Amino acid sequence: DAKTTQPPSMDCAEGRAANLPCNHSTISGNEYVYWYRQIHSQGPQYIIHGLKNNETNEMASLIITEDRKSSTLILPHATLRDTAVYYCIVDSSNTGKLIFGQGTTLQVKP
Amino acid sequence: DSGVTQTPKHLITATGQRVTLRCSPRSGDLSVYWYQQSLDQGLQFLIQYYNGEERAKGNILERFSAQQFPDLHSELNLSSLELGDSALYFCASSPAYRGREQFFGPGTRLTVL
Repeated sequence: DAKTTQPPSMDCAEGRAANLPCNHSTISGNEYVYWYRQIHSQGPQYIIHGLKNNETNEMASLIITEDRKSSTLILPHATLRDTAVYYCIVDSSNTGKLIFGQGTTLQVKP
Repeated sequence: DSGVTQTPKHLITATGQRVTLRCSPRSGDLSVYWYQQSLDQGLQFLIQYYNGEERAKGNILERFSAQQFPDLHSELNLSSLELGDSALYFCASSPAYRGREQFFGPGTRLTVL
């Protein structure tokens, strides 16, 4: 599985867009990019995933660069409840096992 | 609420003991995954079952074992417990064996004294 690199922490003002970067320079063609988040010791929560194209759902948008070596998760209007650890995961396994890294701690401030 | 339930929520036990953690997946989900989250190791994948069969194995110790029953609930058995086994144990489920979107339960917090 490709390794990912994320900044350890970020701050964002409430109501503003939160842009969380992830580098996955060794990603291969069949590897998906997943984003999960974990709010203070709760079970992780799926956010979004993608392969090549940009994706959007009710929670967030995922922008994947053309060379697929990096991606950005965008929370369009961050709220205090979005304060969490965000994990970027790259996976190509035939199962669903997720290899979590250290993630980015996003602090949304009033 | 993800629809995944885990019992018990908290468990305190002594070194050398054996415990069983239980997980009920979302209705209809065939895959169950177990993860361990400790302060020093982060979130680590342990094992996956799909429709009763083991599908993938991660960094699961030999003292740990799991199974998935015909009704699809799963149990994680931890034996000869050590202080370092203290952690949050999460169960997740997904409909397919390749779970793009996994639904995590609230976890069981195990404390070994």
